[in-house]
Amino acid sequence: QQQVRQSPQSLTVWEGETAILNCSYEDSTFNYFPWYQQFPGEGPALLISIRSVSDKKEDGRFTIFFNKREKKLSLHITDSQPGDSATYFCAASATGNTGKLIFGLGTTLQVQP
Amino acid sequence: EAAVTQSPRNKVTVTGGNVTLSCRQTNSHNYMYWYRQDTGHGLRLIHYSYGAGNLQIGDVPDGYKATRTTQEDFFLLLELASPSQTSLYFCASSALTGGAPRDTQYFGPGTRLLVL
Repeated sequence: QQQVRQSPQSLTVWEGETAILNCSYEDSTFNYFPWYQQFPGEGPALLISIRSVSDKKEDGRFTIFFNKREKKLSLHITDSQPGDSATYFCAASATGNTGKLIFGLGTTLQVQP
Repeated sequence: EAAVTQSPRNKVTVTGGNVTLSCRQTNSHNYMYWYRQDTGHGLRLIHYSYGAGNLQIGDVPDGYKATRTTQEDFFLLLELASPSQTSLYFCASSALTGGAPRDTQYFGPGTRLLVL
């Protein structure tokens, strides 16, 4: 049973468009949601994160929207660039859970120039 | 910037072989983690540790042992490797007290293991 679900599995957008990556979760004790970005041949790297006390977190072109009631969140990448082409993982953890993260299966984003 | 290194970067072994994957972090992080990454399964936690001599079982521990010898070094051991353990292995570290933002995990570059 996948505790963290991501959709779509893959996404292609044109340069300059907004890419929207979705994530949902099951466990209501989850209160920390990082998004990791992974390029081929590299390890994942933290991109942006949000805690459940907030409904929005913005960092440049990257924004997380969080809906606690529906247990859903989304990552919006505005003005997408070819360099944003990567796999994006949504993850979740609960306070006091020793930092243990549960990862989704990822969304592979391709930005066409 | 946190630094996590892994060795070897690539490894080929045969079924029943003995494999040790190494990870070192130089940021005095408390926690270290071993993950495997497989298509269709994402990243799955094998073992983790919150300090030298400590070991915690993750979500997919079967067939794996681990040992944390120092604050910096965390090893993953496959004593009787099987083809099902062919995967991309990542080590990560995090500081849950002070230092880096809580819960942020810093990943190494990965070790690709092939078990024939």
